[in-house]
Amino acid sequence: EVQLVESGGGLVQPGGSLRLSCAASGFTFSSYWMSWVRQAPGKGLEWVANIKQDGSEIYYVDSVKGRFTISRDNARNSLYLQMNSVRAEDTALYYCATVHTRSFDYWGQGTLVTVSS
Amino acid sequence: DFVLTQSPLSLPVTLGQPASISCRSSQSLVHRDGNTYLNWFQQRPGQSPRRLIYKVSNRDSGVPDRFSGSGSGTDFTLKISRVEAEDVGVYYCMQGTQWPTWTFGQGTKVEIK
Repeated sequence: EVQLVESGGGLVQPGGSLRLSCAASGFTFSSYWMSWVRQAPGKGLEWVANIKQDGSEIYYVDSVKGRFTISRDNARNSLYLQMNSVRAEDTALYYCATVHTRSFDYWGQGTLVTVSS
Repeated sequence: DFVLTQSPLSLPVTLGQPASISCRSSQSLVHRDGNTYLNWFQQRPGQSPRRLIYKVSNRDSGVPDRFSGSGSGTDFTLKISRVEAEDVGVYYCMQGTQWPTWTFGQGTKVEIK
């Protein structure tokens, strides 16, 4: 059974940093592109970042470029999102998801990031 | 960027009756490889999103056959043949054609009358 378990969310001050993690199991992690998708409270879904199987290709939504860094450790079956210089508008539930046919087929339960002073 | 516009944004439905959600793209979603990467997701209250349909009309494993997707180019539709209570939630279309910036529609909230 595919499982994606996010962690690392919490309350962070504007301008601060946070590192999200996603522990994957039940599939061959190193064979899949992975993504982060976020959802602001009461709002819709927004794709945030993608990373290729070996980490050689990485893409971000414009609003997080230069501030967020997606990475992965295939030996640990883990995906990460380093969030720096966070803003109030980064407040959201952050999901990690597997990529299949240019879409997201498995999702975690999400980890909540709240940016507030 | 490809903008996806869903309608309606709110859809009250009667149990057992059909429901239909439209998703229109600002540009054709036909990729140069010939595929159309239009997907549909369901998000039940308090749950993570779940993909229902990929590449316009392909149902994911375990998705009831009362859900169907259709369309081409810029116009797409998700249909529920007979709405059940468990179908309550928000439905999103999403395009994966424009690489690498994938986008979602605004969401359509389905509720029981």
